[in-house]
Amino acid sequence: EAGVAQSPRYKIIEKRQSVAFWCNPISGHATLYWYQQILGQGPKLLIQFQNNGVVDDSQLPKDRFSAERLKGVDSTLKIQPAKLEDSAVYLCASSFGTGGSSGANVLTFGAGSRLTVL
Amino acid sequence: AQKITQTQPGMFVQEKEAVTLDCTYDTSDPSYGLFWYKQPSSGEMIFLIYQGSYDQQNATEGRYSLNFQKARKSANLVISASQLGDSAMYFCAMREPYTGNQFYFGTGTSLTVIP
Repeated sequence: EAGVAQSPRYKIIEKRQSVAFWCNPISGHATLYWYQQILGQGPKLLIQFQNNGVVDDSQLPKDRFSAERLKGVDSTLKIQPAKLEDSAVYLCASSFGTGGSSGANVLTFGAGSRLTVL
Repeated sequence: AQKITQTQPGMFVQEKEAVTLDCTYDTSDPSYGLFWYKQPSSGEMIFLIYQGSYDQQNATEGRYSLNFQKARKSANLVISASQLGDSAMYFCAMREPYTGNQFYFGTGTSLTVIP
């Protein structure tokens, strides 16, 4: 099966500019996650979708970050305006379901989008 | 409190030797899942192994095994017969169904395999 697709792989922008990242999850995966991974740290959840509804966006800086998942398939994460501290890798992941203790609901990650804000 | 704690920022192991990467977790949920991921320098997160909170036996996947000690809330990853390709960051993660199935990640352990 095809994996989680993300684009672009790399993006360099000036602070205060805007950027958008795209993610296409594995076909049939209802749950989609966006994570921010700053160099040397573990991934931090930004937003979780179940189909096209938001399950958790408590750690999303809503003054500058937005995300949508139209039609419950692919998703876009936008940053506007970007700050220096937004430099990170943005990881998209998907899973078939959300059974907490089920091994069948493993997160599958995309290759990530590396953002550098100058 | 941290949900997942990995206390080893960096580890070294000789090629062909076994290594244990530590992970402790914090939850009051009786049902949860524990996962280990590998992140090589290329950046992609690769799933390695899973342990459910109700599983009676420790999980194994090839050279990977999970030393699950429920009472101590630890889920250490054991890599046997280390290979040079095992050099990477390793992340322990937990999923709790009662918090909306968030995946909590630790800070990771950087493993270097020495030839």
